[in-house]
Amino acid sequence: NAGVTQTPKFQVLKTGQSMTLQCAQDMNHNSMYWYRQDPGMGLRLIYYSASEGTTDKGEVPNGYNVSRLNKREFSLRLESAAPSQTSVYFCASSERIAGGIAKNIQYFGAGTRLSVL
Amino acid sequence: ELKVEQNPLFLSMQEGKNYTIYCNYSTTSDRLYWYRQDPGKSLESLFVLLSNGAVKQEGRLMASLDTKARLSTLHITAAVHDLSATYFCAVETQGGSEKLVFGKGTKLTVNP
Repeated sequence: NAGVTQTPKFQVLKTGQSMTLQCAQDMNHNSMYWYRQDPGMGLRLIYYSASEGTTDKGEVPNGYNVSRLNKREFSLRLESAAPSQTSVYFCASSERIAGGIAKNIQYFGAGTRLSVL
Repeated sequence: ELKVEQNPLFLSMQEGKNYTIYCNYSTTSDRLYWYRQDPGKSLESLFVLLSNGAVKQEGRLMASLDTKARLSTLHITAAVHDLSATYFCAVETQGGSEKLVFGKGTKLTVNP
């Protein structure tokens, strides 16, 4: 099983360039998330989607946009990259009810390492 | 606003020793998660704690939750080198939003 797949794995951008990070999950989960991880900061939620067609801001949404294209795919777009967006980006998915028990275990992709020069 | 604090942030210990990582959170929640991250890798789910008094064990790791004290612990018994990793706790926000707030992580190094 592929689980959560992120592309690309690595990317270097110049300040002002734009790019889209792709995420797809094959677990039929309703909820998907984008996080950024910076040294000493843990993971911080950028955006969240509870279901196809819905998105919600997280803790650090400024400078980002998202699209929940369908149930499987959730993309993150940087319209005008800045050095402060240098980070490791993780996509995750979850399903609240699994096997009759209310859980919210999030399954993470391998991450995208982004450098903005 | 929910805040999650872990301590210590760095932990160096010898093989065979025991230690505890603490996770405190600031507002009411009854769902707490522990994750492991190896260097350069993704996060892997370790434990889900869904109620007050919940205790889960897997090998040398045991996690517990005290919702009244807003405290979870991750206890390491007789550490081995393979446990070297960064451990994160994450707390679910109230209201069914499914959002998690992560602690900053505890980087554990187990030395021979």
